[in-house]
Amino acid sequence: NAGVMQNPRHLVRRRGQEARLRCSPMKGHSHVYWYRQLPEEGLKFMVYLQKENIIDESGMPKERFSAEFPKEGPSILRIQQVVRGDSAAYFCASSAAGTQPQHFGDGTRLSIL
Amino acid sequence: GQNIDQPTEMTATEGAIVQINCTYQTSGFNGLFWYQQHAGEAPTFLSYNVLDGLEEKGRFSSFLSRSKGYSYLLLKELQMKDSASYLCAPEVGNTPLVFGKGTRLSVIA
Repeated sequence: NAGVMQNPRHLVRRRGQEARLRCSPMKGHSHVYWYRQLPEEGLKFMVYLQKENIIDESGMPKERFSAEFPKEGPSILRIQQVVRGDSAAYFCASSAAGTQPQHFGDGTRLSIL
Repeated sequence: GQNIDQPTEMTATEGAIVQINCTYQTSGFNGLFWYQQHAGEAPTFLSYNVLDGLEEKGRFSSFLSRSKGYSYLLLKELQMKDSASYLCAPEVGNTPLVFGKGTRLSVIA
């Protein structure tokens, strides 16, 4: 599958635990974007990364959330000490350069108990 | 910042034509994207307009007026499977896309 791969598809965590969401971009893409989508809401931009660099994290909460895109391996969105309000679908998208279009993965549905 | 406005919901009949409008206010505008998102699924790319005018792609067409900050997505010969949310996203420079809240289209028999 040459598309954007996200895993896991579904993730359940208890309050206070950590959640790690993974995203492998499309082959040849070096730009990764993370979005959050609450039920019945639009996509909200969180963070934009290139290999080993965070380009724009203006949409990401300052506390508990972090993202990385290492030289090797997938991009990781990490949420520490999760709370109920973190329950959402988290989508990753990739593009070949700063040019678009972005191609989206199937998302990770995070549920906090 | 960007200001993007789309109708929240629309309903249309199978076989009909529907036009989904999007107005935006932004600086440094490059072009405009339309994405389709079925419930519980990932958004999929539909179209990208840079120049003014209508671009047709099968049953779907997209129109852009840069001077008016206006775009629409035209869906012809509607099918039940077209029931989805349609997201308008203006592109500004190399900044990440900001999506509108989307228009939820329901196609009824």
